[in-house]
Amino acid sequence: EVQLVESGGGLVQPGGSLTLSCAASAFAFSNYEMNWVRQAPGKGLEWVAFITISGKTIYYVDSVKGRFTISRDNAKNSLYLQMDSLRVEDTAVYYCARQRWDEPIDYWGQGTLVTVSS
Amino acid sequence: QLVLTQSPSASASLGASVKLTCTLSSGHSTYAIAWHQQQPEKGPRYLMKVKSDGSHIKGDGIPDRFSGSSSGAERYLTISSLQSEDEADYYCQTWGTGIRVFGGGTKVTVL
Repeated sequence: EVQLVESGGGLVQPGGSLTLSCAASAFAFSNYEMNWVRQAPGKGLEWVAFITISGKTIYYVDSVKGRFTISRDNAKNSLYLQMDSLRVEDTAVYYCARQRWDEPIDYWGQGTLVTVSS
Repeated sequence: QLVLTQSPSASASLGASVKLTCTLSSGHSTYAIAWHQQQPEKGPRYLMKVKSDGSHIKGDGIPDRFSGSSSGAERYLTISSLQSEDEADYYCQTWGTGIRVFGGGTKVTVL
């Protein structure tokens, strides 16, 4: 069964940093593009970042550009999100999600909660 | 600008049908979209991809009572024979170069 398991969430102060990880299993991770998607409490889904198989093409939503960095390690079947200069409005459950090129997201993780608060 | 618009809520009785609408912004009427379901306190689940010609490709294990269709810039998700576990939020999603977009979601209530 395809699995995406996020970790690394927690409580952090405004201006702080956090790194999220996503461990993939039961599928060929190196054949899929990957995304991070977040959901603020009581709100809808918001796409955050995308990375191609090779890692050479990366996209971000405008609100996180310059603060968040997406990366992957295909040898470790893992996806990462380095989050710096965190703001209160970054508080959300963060999901990793896979897709094929020019196809929709077709599998999601269960999410990890990031709370930015003083 | 690539935008998806969904009604905030919909409801129908147990065993009835409900049809949800996702509208693509002007200039993007040929885009395919995907539907995702999010049950309370759970992560999202991919339901299907719906193309502009109305064809749809469902994800693994998605019941036959879920179907998709299209008309112009509108993409639809129809749930037939509504069951209690269908009470959830439903999001449409599309994509372009450099961007992935979600609609605001439709909360489905089973009466």
